[in-house]
Amino acid sequence: EDQVTQSPEALRLQEGESSSLNCSYTVSGLRGLFWYRQDPGKGPEFLFTLYSAGEEKEKERLKATLTKKESFLHITAPKPEDSATYLCAVFKAAGNKLTFGGGTRVLVKP
Amino acid sequence: NAGVMQNPRHLVRRRGQEARLRCSPMKGHSHVYWYRQLPEEGLKFMVYLQKENIIDESGMPKERFSAEFPKEGPSILRIQQVVRGDSAAYFCASSRAGGSYEQYFGPGTRLTVT
Repeated sequence: EDQVTQSPEALRLQEGESSSLNCSYTVSGLRGLFWYRQDPGKGPEFLFTLYSAGEEKEKERLKATLTKKESFLHITAPKPEDSATYLCAVFKAAGNKLTFGGGTRVLVKP
Repeated sequence: NAGVMQNPRHLVRRRGQEARLRCSPMKGHSHVYWYRQLPEEGLKFMVYLQKENIIDESGMPKERFSAEFPKEGPSILRIQQVVRGDSAAYFCASSRAGGSYEQYFGPGTRLTVT
């Protein structure tokens, strides 16, 4: 059975304190991995797609990387507006459905 | 705004009533997906549709739930005879056809069953 596990469940950071979020997966036939950001009461906002091990994507203070077993989302010098829940999801070669991890709730304090 | 649209944003139903949730995909997108987020749980896939076709409904409960995406108009997720356990946020996502798998989500419909 496909499994996606995110850690930690929650992360409290001081403004400017860089950190990394982990998404580990056990999936047969992985086609790619998505990262989303979700604010309370809103829908997930697309951030990145990663397709192959070694791939990296960057957007502002966020950088996503992918290995054969896990993905990392690095937050460099975070600001309070980076506070959100970050979700990773995998999709397989067969079918388009996404399997989500449980998310990491990030709180950045000024 | 060419984003995914969902309505209503909030829906309150009494036990036994029907709930209808609507989703209009992003402009240029022809694939629609429905996901459910139960309180304190992660997002779970329910169903994947293309125009007039259900492609994958492996995540749909066997009873009371149905989905459609007609040739004209929005996709509809229908829940008959709602129960308290159906209370959740229901999200619709859409993607382009032809191999691009990026799914963009709408703001969700929050269903409360009283």
